[in-house]
Amino acid sequence: DSGVTQTPKHLITATGQRVTLRCSPRSGDLSVYWYQQSLDQGLQFLIQYYNGEERAKGNILERFSAQQFPDLHSELNLSSLELGDSALYFCASSVGSMGVYGYTFGSGTRLTVV
Amino acid sequence: DAKTTQPPSMDCAEGRAANLPCNHSTISGNEYVYWYRQIHSQGPQYIIHGLKNNETNEMASLIITEDRKSSTLILPHATLRDTAVYYCIVRVADQAGTALIFGKGTTLSVSS
Repeated sequence: DSGVTQTPKHLITATGQRVTLRCSPRSGDLSVYWYQQSLDQGLQFLIQYYNGEERAKGNILERFSAQQFPDLHSELNLSSLELGDSALYFCASSVGSMGVYGYTFGSGTRLTVV
Repeated sequence: DAKTTQPPSMDCAEGRAANLPCNHSTISGNEYVYWYRQIHSQGPQYIIHGLKNNETNEMASLIITEDRKSSTLILPHATLRDTAVYYCIVRVADQAGTALIFGKGTTLSVSS
């Protein structure tokens, strides 16, 4: 157990639907990062939050959004889902805003869009 | 961040040392070398990082050449559980507005 908790572990939904993925960072970590891993794209960085504020943005689609709450947990919202959104979604956390000493990853949420 | 080059795959016998190379010839003076691994669809796991000195922890050793253009991750006694994709990432450690960017990595297969 890495200390980063992601729920749910598996999610199956239909095209056009909206889902919310949840992440609780490791105790004491203020940064949360979201990554998407599909078979053909590898690990893609989506977005980072630090203590409630957006800090870095990667290849995140406009249909996707995220936020970090005062208790530091984060949610990734995926809407108007397409078949190509099927992937593993990982959350990671780090102590500071730069992740100098490395990130701790959760076990991921496997999203299947049918 | 500097680009890295890793072999797509490597094999290693159980109990032997696994030496995973990484080329980062365009690395700049303030960029660190990070190593992560991902065991079959699990979340990536931090292994080690360094700037210019060799580093060792309970998992592995990191050897960085004097010119810093390449590095080697050493797993001293590989086990079957070390079979994974290993990622070498070069990054300015304290750069705001960026995150770790993963490439394709090296798939290490450890066999008995």
